[in-house]
Amino acid sequence: TQLLEQSPQFLSIQEGENLTVYCNSSSVFSSLQWYRQEPGEGPVLLVTVVTGGEVKKLKRLTFQFGDARKDSSLHITAAQPGDTGLYLCAGDDDYKLSFGAGTTVTVRA
Amino acid sequence: DAGITQSPRYKITETGRQVTLMCHQTWSHSYMFWYRQDLGHGLRLIYYSAAADITDKGEVPDGYVVSRSKTENFPLTLESATRSQTSVYFCASSQGVEQYFGPGTRLTVT
Repeated sequence: TQLLEQSPQFLSIQEGENLTVYCNSSSVFSSLQWYRQEPGEGPVLLVTVVTGGEVKKLKRLTFQFGDARKDSSLHITAAQPGDTGLYLCAGDDDYKLSFGAGTTVTVRA
Repeated sequence: DAGITQSPRYKITETGRQVTLMCHQTWSHSYMFWYRQDLGHGLRLIYYSAAADITDKGEVPDGYVVSRSKTENFPLTLESATRSQTSVYFCASSQGVEQYFGPGTRLTVT
C-alpha cells in the first residue's frame, strides 16, 4: 500500500478567504484524483490529474500535480460555505486507489 | 439512472452474527471495490473485483468474504461480525481509473 499524507487535517476559514490542501507521497503515481465527501454521502470525484506539472481548474478550484508525480495540491479561491466538506486525494495503483486520510474543510459564513 | 446503490443504508447487528452488505451498479463497469471508512484512517480497501468471478484482497480483507457472480452485483459478507468491524462501508465501481461511489452503509456491531 502506497502512503498518501494530506495536510492540514482540519481547516476552518471565513467565507471569501483562500485555502490550500496538500497531498504528498514518497511514491510515484500514474494519476492522482481528488474527491469531495459530504456527511452521510459517498466521495464524489472532482478531478483526475495525470501529467507531471499539470494544472487543472474547476471554477474556483485549482488542482496541481507535482512534476515528479508524487504530490498534489488543491487551492480554493474565495471559499464559500458550499465548499465545506471532506477533501480526499487518491493515487492510482493499477486500478486500485490509495487514499489519504482527508482534510476537513469548514467555511464559515 | 440509478448508478450505484447500496443496501441496507444502516444496520445494527450483534457480535458473531453474519451480515451481508449489498452493492449494485447499473453502468456495467468491470471493476468494483469495497472500502471501509474510519476516523483517522480515511478509506481502506477491503476487496476488489476486476470482472465477474475474479476477486482479490485489498489492504484489510480479514473477516470479510466477497463474491461476484454477476457484473452488476458485488456483495460483502462479514462471516462473524466483531466490534472492530463497526464502520461505514462504501462500494465503488470503475471502468478506468476514476471510481464512482455508492452512498455507504453504516454498520454498527454491538
